[in-house]
Amino acid sequence: GAVVSQHPSRVICKSGTSVKIECRSLDFQATTMFWYRQFPKQSLMLMATSNEGSKATYEQGVEKDKFLINHASLTLSTLTVTSAHPEDSSFYICSARVLVGLAGGPDYEQYFGPGTRLTVT
Amino acid sequence: AQKVTQAQTEISVVEKEDVTLDCVYETRDTTYYLFWYKQPPSGELVFLIRRNSFDEQNEISGRYSWNFQKSTSSFNFTITASQVVDSAVYFCALSEARNTDKLIFGTGTRLQVFP
Repeated sequence: GAVVSQHPSRVICKSGTSVKIECRSLDFQATTMFWYRQFPKQSLMLMATSNEGSKATYEQGVEKDKFLINHASLTLSTLTVTSAHPEDSSFYICSARVLVGLAGGPDYEQYFGPGTRLTVT
Repeated sequence: AQKVTQAQTEISVVEKEDVTLDCVYETRDTTYYLFWYKQPPSGELVFLIRRNSFDEQNEISGRYSWNFQKSTSSFNFTITASQVVDSAVYFCALSEARNTDKLIFGTGTRLQVFP
Protein backbone atom coordinates (compact mmCIF):
# COMPACT_ATOMS: atom_id res chain seq x y z
CA GLY A 1 0.00 0.00 0.00
CA ALA A 2 0.96 3.66 -0.18
CA VAL A 3 3.22 4.63 2.72
CA VAL A 4 4.03 8.16 3.75
CA SER A 5 6.74 8.95 6.27
CA GLN A 6 7.58 12.09 8.17
CA HIS A 7 10.80 13.15 9.81
CA PRO A 8 11.31 14.00 12.56
CA SER A 9 8.46 12.56 14.58
CA ARG A 10 9.12 15.01 17.39
CA VAL A 11 11.15 18.18 17.53
CA ILE A 12 11.76 20.75 20.21
CA CYS A 13 13.28 24.05 19.18
CA LYS A 14 13.92 27.41 20.72
CA SER A 15 11.89 30.46 19.90
CA GLY A 16 13.28 32.31 16.92
CA THR A 17 14.87 29.32 15.24
CA SER A 18 13.66 27.54 12.13
CA VAL A 19 12.76 23.90 11.85
CA LYS A 20 12.31 21.72 8.79
CA ILE A 21 9.89 18.82 8.56
CA GLU A 22 10.17 16.26 5.79
CA CYS A 23 7.34 14.32 4.18
CA ARG A 24 8.24 11.38 1.94
CA SER A 25 6.22 9.02 -0.17
CA LEU A 26 8.06 5.73 0.24
CA ASP A 27 6.74 3.45 -2.46
CA PHE A 28 5.10 5.78 -4.93
CA GLN A 29 5.53 9.15 -6.56
CA ALA A 30 3.39 12.03 -5.36
CA THR A 31 3.11 15.13 -7.49
CA THR A 32 0.81 16.61 -4.89
CA MET A 33 1.18 16.57 -1.13
CA PHE A 34 -0.70 18.39 1.57
CA TRP A 35 0.27 19.90 4.92
CA TYR A 36 -2.14 19.98 7.84
CA ARG A 37 -1.92 21.40 11.30
CA GLN A 38 -3.63 20.02 14.36
CA PHE A 39 -3.79 21.80 17.70
CA PRO A 40 -4.29 19.69 20.82
CA LYS A 41 -7.72 18.11 20.92
CA GLN A 42 -8.74 19.90 17.76
CA SER A 43 -9.36 19.00 14.17
CA LEU A 44 -6.96 18.98 11.26
CA MET A 45 -6.78 22.17 9.26
CA LEU A 46 -5.34 22.21 5.76
CA MET A 47 -2.44 24.66 5.58
CA ALA A 48 -1.25 24.28 2.02
CA THR A 49 -1.08 22.14 -1.07
CA SER A 50 2.42 21.29 -2.20
CA ASN A 51 2.95 20.70 -5.92
CA GLU A 52 6.12 19.19 -7.30
CA GLY A 53 8.06 21.69 -9.34
CA SER A 54 5.82 24.66 -8.61
CA LYS A 55 4.84 26.98 -5.80
CA ALA A 56 2.66 25.76 -3.00
CA THR A 57 -0.92 26.93 -2.69
CA TYR A 58 -1.68 28.24 0.77
CA GLU A 59 -5.04 28.31 2.51
CA GLN A 60 -6.47 31.60 3.63
CA GLY A 61 -4.85 32.85 6.80
CA VAL A 62 -1.66 30.79 6.48
CA GLU A 63 1.48 32.90 6.22
CA LYS A 64 3.56 31.88 3.22
CA ASP A 65 6.72 33.46 4.56
CA LYS A 66 6.41 31.70 7.87
CA PHE A 67 5.60 28.25 6.56
CA LEU A 68 7.89 27.62 3.63
CA ILE A 69 7.03 24.62 1.50
CA ASN A 70 9.34 23.03 -1.00
CA HIS A 71 8.41 20.08 -3.18
CA ALA A 72 11.63 19.51 -5.06
CA SER A 73 11.13 15.89 -6.03
CA LEU A 74 8.30 13.47 -6.68
CA THR A 75 8.80 11.81 -3.31
CA LEU A 76 9.68 14.65 -0.97
CA SER A 77 7.98 17.76 0.33
CA THR A 78 9.40 19.85 3.13
CA LEU A 79 7.75 22.31 5.48
CA THR A 80 10.01 24.83 7.17
CA VAL A 81 8.62 26.78 10.08
CA THR A 82 10.69 29.95 10.11
CA SER A 83 11.36 32.01 13.20
CA ALA A 84 9.23 29.67 15.24
CA HIS A 85 7.32 30.92 18.26
CA PRO A 86 5.53 29.03 21.02
CA GLU A 87 2.18 29.54 19.28
CA ASP A 88 3.54 27.49 16.36
CA SER A 89 3.71 24.46 18.64
CA SER A 90 1.40 21.95 17.06
CA PHE A 91 1.09 18.56 15.40
CA TYR A 92 1.92 18.82 11.70
CA ILE A 93 0.66 16.09 9.40
CA CYS A 94 1.36 15.65 5.73
CA SER A 95 -0.50 13.58 3.20
CA ALA A 96 0.20 12.48 -0.35
CA ARG A 97 -2.30 12.25 -3.14
CA VAL A 98 -2.52 8.89 -4.87
CA LEU A 99 -4.36 8.14 -8.08
CA VAL A 100 -6.69 5.22 -7.36
CA GLY A 101 -8.81 5.11 -10.51
CA LEU A 102 -9.55 6.69 -13.86
CA ALA A 103 -13.14 5.68 -14.59
CA GLY A 104 -15.22 8.80 -15.12
CA GLY A 105 -12.17 10.96 -14.52
CA PRO A 106 -9.15 10.73 -12.21
CA ASP A 107 -9.99 9.54 -8.72
CA TYR A 108 -7.59 10.33 -5.90
CA GLU A 109 -7.15 9.41 -2.29
CA GLN A 110 -4.91 10.89 0.36
CA TYR A 111 -2.53 8.84 2.46
CA PHE A 112 -1.35 10.44 5.65
CA GLY A 113 2.03 10.49 7.33
CA PRO A 114 2.46 9.74 11.03
CA GLY A 115 2.78 13.41 11.97
CA THR A 116 5.45 15.60 13.54
CA ARG A 117 4.98 17.10 16.98
CA LEU A 118 6.66 20.49 17.15
CA THR A 119 7.27 22.16 20.49
CA VAL A 120 8.71 25.65 20.53
CA THR A 121 10.13 26.76 23.86
CA ALA B 1 -20.44 26.44 2.77
CA GLN B 2 -18.97 23.08 3.62
CA LYS B 3 -19.00 21.91 7.17
CA VAL B 4 -18.71 18.70 9.12
CA THR B 5 -20.16 18.44 12.60
CA GLN B 6 -19.33 15.77 15.11
CA ALA B 7 -21.43 16.74 18.08
CA GLN B 8 -20.03 14.09 20.41
CA THR B 9 -16.75 15.31 21.84
CA GLU B 10 -16.03 12.27 23.96
CA ILE B 11 -17.68 8.91 24.41
CA SER B 12 -16.80 6.30 27.00
CA VAL B 13 -17.98 2.73 26.80
CA VAL B 14 -17.13 -0.57 28.38
CA GLU B 15 -15.69 -3.32 26.23
CA LYS B 16 -18.19 -5.29 24.17
CA GLU B 17 -20.68 -2.44 24.08
CA ASP B 18 -21.80 -1.13 20.72
CA VAL B 19 -21.14 2.53 20.05
CA THR B 20 -22.26 4.93 17.32
CA LEU B 21 -20.33 8.02 16.35
CA ASP B 22 -22.41 10.71 14.70
CA CYS B 23 -21.43 12.83 11.73
CA VAL B 24 -23.54 15.50 10.08
CA TYR B 25 -22.31 17.37 7.03
CA GLU B 26 -23.24 20.42 4.99
CA THR B 27 -22.48 20.97 1.34
CA ARG B 28 -24.06 22.64 -1.65
CA ASP B 29 -22.51 20.19 -4.08
CA THR B 30 -24.48 17.23 -5.33
CA THR B 31 -21.31 15.21 -5.78
CA TYR B 32 -19.11 14.76 -2.76
CA TYR B 33 -17.19 12.22 -0.73
CA LEU B 34 -17.41 11.33 2.93
CA PHE B 35 -14.66 9.77 4.96
CA TRP B 36 -13.93 8.35 8.37
CA TYR B 37 -10.43 8.31 9.83
CA LYS B 38 -9.11 6.87 13.08
CA GLN B 39 -6.35 8.65 14.98
CA PRO B 40 -4.89 6.46 17.73
CA PRO B 41 -2.74 7.99 20.49
CA SER B 42 0.35 7.60 18.32
CA GLY B 43 -1.07 10.29 16.05
CA GLU B 44 -1.16 8.81 12.58
CA LEU B 45 -4.41 8.99 10.67
CA VAL B 46 -5.78 5.64 9.63
CA PHE B 47 -8.18 5.61 6.70
CA LEU B 48 -11.37 3.67 7.42
CA ILE B 49 -13.81 4.36 4.61
CA ARG B 50 -14.66 6.62 1.71
CA ARG B 51 -18.18 6.91 0.38
CA ASN B 52 -19.39 8.93 -2.58
CA SER B 53 -22.66 10.82 -2.52
CA PHE B 54 -24.32 8.54 -5.05
CA ASP B 55 -23.84 5.43 -3.02
CA GLU B 56 -26.24 5.33 -0.10
CA GLN B 57 -25.79 1.68 0.62
CA ASN B 58 -24.78 0.96 4.15
CA GLU B 59 -21.43 -0.71 4.54
CA ILE B 60 -20.19 -3.29 6.97
CA SER B 61 -16.56 -4.25 7.50
CA GLY B 62 -16.06 -6.64 10.36
CA ARG B 63 -17.13 -4.86 13.54
CA TYR B 64 -17.45 -1.55 11.74
CA SER B 65 -20.53 -0.35 9.92
CA TRP B 66 -21.54 2.93 8.36
CA ASN B 67 -24.98 4.40 7.83
CA PHE B 68 -25.21 7.05 5.11
CA GLN B 69 -28.48 8.98 4.98
CA LYS B 70 -28.63 11.83 2.48
CA SER B 71 -32.06 12.85 3.73
CA THR B 72 -30.54 13.87 7.07
CA SER B 73 -27.03 14.63 5.75
CA SER B 74 -25.56 12.12 8.13
CA PHE B 75 -22.83 9.52 7.86
CA ASN B 76 -22.76 7.69 11.17
CA PHE B 77 -20.22 5.09 12.20
CA THR B 78 -21.00 2.16 14.48
CA ILE B 79 -18.51 -0.10 16.20
CA THR B 80 -20.03 -3.35 17.35
CA ALA B 81 -18.64 -5.19 20.36
CA SER B 82 -16.08 -2.49 21.04
CA GLN B 83 -12.56 -3.38 22.15
CA VAL B 84 -9.92 -1.45 24.07
CA VAL B 85 -7.90 -1.14 20.85
CA ASP B 86 -10.74 0.90 19.39
CA SER B 87 -9.85 3.74 21.75
CA ALA B 88 -8.87 6.65 19.54
CA VAL B 89 -10.12 9.91 18.10
CA TYR B 90 -12.35 9.39 15.10
CA PHE B 91 -12.70 12.05 12.44
CA CYS B 92 -15.40 12.39 9.84
CA ALA B 93 -14.42 14.36 6.73
CA LEU B 94 -15.95 15.72 3.54
CA SER B 95 -14.55 16.60 0.15
CA GLU B 96 -16.46 18.08 -2.73
CA ALA B 97 -16.16 16.98 -6.34
CA ARG B 98 -15.04 20.42 -7.52
CA ASN B 99 -12.03 20.15 -5.21
CA THR B 100 -11.58 16.61 -4.07
CA ASP B 101 -8.15 17.47 -2.69
CA LYS B 102 -9.56 19.60 0.09
CA LEU B 103 -10.64 17.50 3.02
CA ILE B 104 -12.84 19.27 5.54
CA PHE B 105 -12.59 17.54 8.87
CA GLY B 106 -15.00 17.49 11.75
CA THR B 107 -13.71 18.22 15.22
CA GLY B 108 -13.42 14.55 16.06
CA THR B 109 -14.92 12.26 18.66
CA ARG B 110 -12.66 10.78 21.32
CA LEU B 111 -13.72 7.22 22.05
CA GLN B 112 -12.50 5.54 25.19
CA VAL B 113 -13.19 1.85 25.59
CA PHE B 114 -12.62 0.56 29.10
CA PRO B 115 -11.93 -3.09 29.90
